[in-house]
Amino acid sequence: GAGVSQSPSNKVTEKGKDVELRCDPISGHTALYWYRQSLGQGLEFLIYFQGNSAPDKSGLPSDRFSAERTGGSVSTLTIQRTQQEDSAVYLCASSGWTGLNTEAFFGQGTRLTVV
Amino acid sequence: AQKVTQAQTEISVVEKEDVTLDCVYETRDTTYYLFWYKQPPSGELVFLIRRNSFDEQNEISGRYSWNFQKSTSSFNFTITASQVVDSAVYFCALNTNAGKSTFGDGTTLTVKP
Repeated sequence: GAGVSQSPSNKVTEKGKDVELRCDPISGHTALYWYRQSLGQGLEFLIYFQGNSAPDKSGLPSDRFSAERTGGSVSTLTIQRTQQEDSAVYLCASSGWTGLNTEAFFGQGTRLTVV
Repeated sequence: AQKVTQAQTEISVVEKEDVTLDCVYETRDTTYYLFWYKQPPSGELVFLIRRNSFDEQNEISGRYSWNFQKSTSSFNFTITASQVVDSAVYFCALNTNAGKSTFGDGTTLTVKP
């Protein structure tokens, strides 16, 4: 696609429910990243996929969070038993290669509100 | 551990004023890249510039300029003759490990007409 696409753009869920956030990266991009942006704060790294390598999950805040990337393309971030502190904007990004000099292309994010 | 500090949470200027956004970073790595991203109200972060740790040349691109000083671990961003369209949140980021950028908390810039 022309850019990184995320869905839904907004999600309101009740505390305790599970949610799935979807990211469709730029076609051909091998690297995919998930970040979380809480109100007034910077981006918090969550997870990183590169090609067929095992993902770097070091940023996932708890075992309620998981992510997968199917076929090296679309990724789904799942949050189980959502808590109010999970409320944030979840940003997905992709890049065509991975290196220190690689800039990321971001989607518009999914705003998650847990009530 | 890596850290990026953007001390200015919010800045408000009047159109045509010059404005500088500060970024200070911490790392023990000798090889790294620094980035600036712009996040307009639409929410999508847009890459502006990158600079590697061995290149302290300042850069100018139109109304934008960047000042990288390794001695003070700073990578500041200046907008000359600001415009309303420059209103956004600006993030400074540090890459020391491919795939895992460290971002600052962002500076919200408001340019008033």
